[in-house]
Amino acid sequence: DADVTQTPRNRITKTGKRIMLECSQTKGHDRMYWYRQDPGLGLRLIYYSFDVKDINKGEISDGYSVSRQAQAKFSLSLESAIPNQTALYFCATTGGLGNEQFFGPGTRLTVL
Amino acid sequence: GQSLEQPSEVTAVEGAIVQINCTYQTSGFYGLSWYQQHDGGAPTFLSYNGLDGLEETGRFSSFLSRSDSYGYLLLQELQMKDSASYFCAVRTNAGKSTFGDGTTLTVKP
Repeated sequence: DADVTQTPRNRITKTGKRIMLECSQTKGHDRMYWYRQDPGLGLRLIYYSFDVKDINKGEISDGYSVSRQAQAKFSLSLESAIPNQTALYFCATTGGLGNEQFFGPGTRLTVL
Repeated sequence: GQSLEQPSEVTAVEGAIVQINCTYQTSGFYGLSWYQQHDGGAPTFLSYNGLDGLEETGRFSSFLSRSDSYGYLLLQELQMKDSASYFCAVRTNAGKSTFGDGTTLTVKP
């Protein structure tokens, strides 16, 4: 079984809809991250959380919100989706020294 | 803020050695990581440097010079399966990472 899972894997939605992307991990890590990746670019940090009560904005948090429901679960919401939020979204976790991030398989989101 | 620069594309032949450079500007530098990504798949960790010098992991090595704000990833004995995108990522003291835009490596027969 995968250590970091994301649901859904693919989603097509319309402008203005609310969307939730979910991430779960079985690695027992405290730190979790949400990134987005646009074609030909690197990963940009949306939000990160060092434990259930600690949530921080990343470099591109506008238009997004998150919820850390438990140590193992970190959800990303788009309150009102817009076309330029079409991207590949990755969840990641890290533990221990934090030098290595473990990524989920990604969610491909298309906003029409 | 943070910024990283790495070449957008590199091409090499099977069996060769290739070096992918990464220069960075950052505050609160903690370490430099490298990740590999195949065609929109999950990035996978390759190497980490927290101190100056060379780290070797099989065919892959990574180097860091903190005084020069520079690092590189060295891939030896290239194989076709090494064709992928490679990202350097700076980790800061705040515990978050900033990724470069990636280098697309194409390995030719």
